[in-house]
This record gives sequence, structure tokens and C-alpha cells, in this order.
Amino acid sequence: KNEVEQSPQNLTAQEGEFITINCSYSVGISALHWLQQHPGGGIVSLFMLSSGKKKHGRLIATINIQEKHSSLHITASHPRDSAVYICAVKGGSRLTFGEGTQLTVNP
Amino acid sequence: NAGVTQTPKFQVLKTGQSMTLQCAQDMNHNSMYWYRQDPGMGLRLIYYSASEGTTDKGEVPNGYNVSRLNKREFSLRLESAAPSQTSVYFCASSEGQGRGFGPGTRLTVT
Repeated sequence: KNEVEQSPQNLTAQEGEFITINCSYSVGISALHWLQQHPGGGIVSLFMLSSGKKKHGRLIATINIQEKHSSLHITASHPRDSAVYICAVKGGSRLTFGEGTQLTVNP
Repeated sequence: NAGVTQTPKFQVLKTGQSMTLQCAQDMNHNSMYWYRQDPGMGLRLIYYSASEGTTDKGEVPNGYNVSRLNKREFSLRLESAAPSQTSVYFCASSEGQGRGFGPGTRLTVT
């Protein structure tokens, strides 16, 4: 079993839909990151969380430390949100990455 | 600011050839990393450098060497490339809550 599990692996949505991507982890962590990888390959850091909830524009990230679970929500999804979303957990000095969730938003 | 830059963007090598991937960051971060990304797997850490003058092995260091040339630059060297090293390589840097990734190098070893 991987230390970081994401679900779903693939997600197709219609423009405007509310989207949730989940991340579960099995190790103690000091922080959790959500990253976005564009179709061209570039990786952008979206959020770093150690507790509670953060919001940036249409993106919301939450974390439940007791349940070892985090969710990334996208409200009013748009085709430009199509990307791979990656969860990564920080234990010690290193990050452990999930395999990513491929999101496709159709117009 | 350029953030994290990597060169080259693409490279094809024959088995046994050597090459160095270059990485530089202008964010004054202390920590730098090299990852590889393979289909169906998360990013895996090859080597990292917590600060100038130090380097440590990650999950998959075999077949690679690194040099932390100064605070800005962290290079990854393949001494004798193998087909198993065909992958996309990412350099990254971090300091506190700040983190940046390079654009990636797509390497094919034939």
C-alpha cells in the first residue's frame, strides 16, 4: 500500500461542476501539499496545509489530521482547470507524492 | 524572477552515455531536490540537498550523482545511462512554505 493514496485516479466533469479530489495518507506528517501539473508538464504549488482549510479563488483545500485525509475542491470548474492534481505529504525533510488525479473538464 | 530553471528540456541518450542535468533557482531557497516521474507512479526523490555543501540520497539514487555547486545551482549527473533511466526529471527548491519546481527534462535512453 502506498503511503499516499489519491482518488479518483481519473475524473471527467462538465464545465461548472463542483469537483472533489481526495487524498489519504498513512504516515505522520508535518504538512500536506496540493500541486497542479499542467498538460505541458510544469508543476505549480497550490496549497500547503498543516490544519484546517485554505481557499484561493475557486480552489479550496481541507485537511483532517486525525483522519489522515485531505480534499481539494474546485468550484465552478472550467476547461482550464484540466490538469493532474498531486497530493504530497511532508514527513521529516522529504515529500512523498501520490500518483496524481487526472482531471478533464469539458466545455 | 525566473524561479527554478532546468536544462535541457529534452535529451536522447544511447545506453552507456553520460550527461548532466543543470538546475538553478533564484528564490534564495536553501533546499534543492531532484525527482523523477514515471507513468503510474508519483514523483520519486533521487537526491536532495538541505543546504549548500550537503547532499543526501533519496528513494532512488542508484545510477545518479549530484553536485550542489553553490546555493543557486544543483546538478544531476548520469555517468552511464541505462534504459531504466528513461523518465521525466524535475528539479525543485524549497524554503519554509515556499516551493518551486522546474519545467522538467524529458530524457530517453535507447
